[in-house]
Amino acid sequence: EAQVTQNPRYLITVTGKKLTVTCSQNMNHEYMSWYRQDPGLGLRQIYYSMNVEATDKGDVPEGYKVSRKEKRNFPLILESPSPNQTSLYFCASSREGRAGNTIYFGEGSWLTVV
Amino acid sequence: GIQVEQSPPDLILQEGANSTLRCNFSDSVNNLQWFHQNPWGQLINLFYIPSGTKQNGRLSATTVATERYSLLYISSSQTTDSGVYFCAAVSSGAGSYQLTFGKGTKLSVIP
Repeated sequence: EAQVTQNPRYLITVTGKKLTVTCSQNMNHEYMSWYRQDPGLGLRQIYYSMNVEATDKGDVPEGYKVSRKEKRNFPLILESPSPNQTSLYFCASSREGRAGNTIYFGEGSWLTVV
Repeated sequence: GIQVEQSPPDLILQEGANSTLRCNFSDSVNNLQWFHQNPWGQLINLFYIPSGTKQNGRLSATTVATERYSLLYISSSQTTDSGVYFCAAVSSGAGSYQLTFGKGTKLSVIP
């Protein structure tokens, strides 16, 4: 089954404690991206990756890091989480970073930073 | 940057009614996509619609790129249509592909 898998799905953590949200897709997709969803703001793109070793900033990259060492994985790293990073996070992938490709989303990761 | 505005922000429908959701976008976009987020948070790609009209069952979408808007039509609404509908404008070029989402229209279909 084609899917995008995120872990953890739910996490409560403390300010400053580094954490990583993993994202893996089994469709051999080139394009992957991360979004955060906040009430009243919709989804905002954090980072995206056109292919292995090719990452770029989205609209809200501050406080986040990513890496794309292999095609299937695109982890999101919060080096020093702060309460304003409490949010619902989505990972997504598509066959290519081009118009017309269906975008597949993971189920989301609820992150709370206290 | 790209601007995307959706209206209305909230919509309540009686089951069986029709509705139209609107998405306005700035002139720097390459194309437009519509998504549905169900009440459990799952996001589903509905349409890729850079221009013209597409239909999928009771849903259809029309984009008029020259006037920078897109419409999503839901006919004979069902309770399973409830959730949030997002449009996303795509800006792409050599080595880049970015989506900018609107804030969404929250649809509640009541029996």
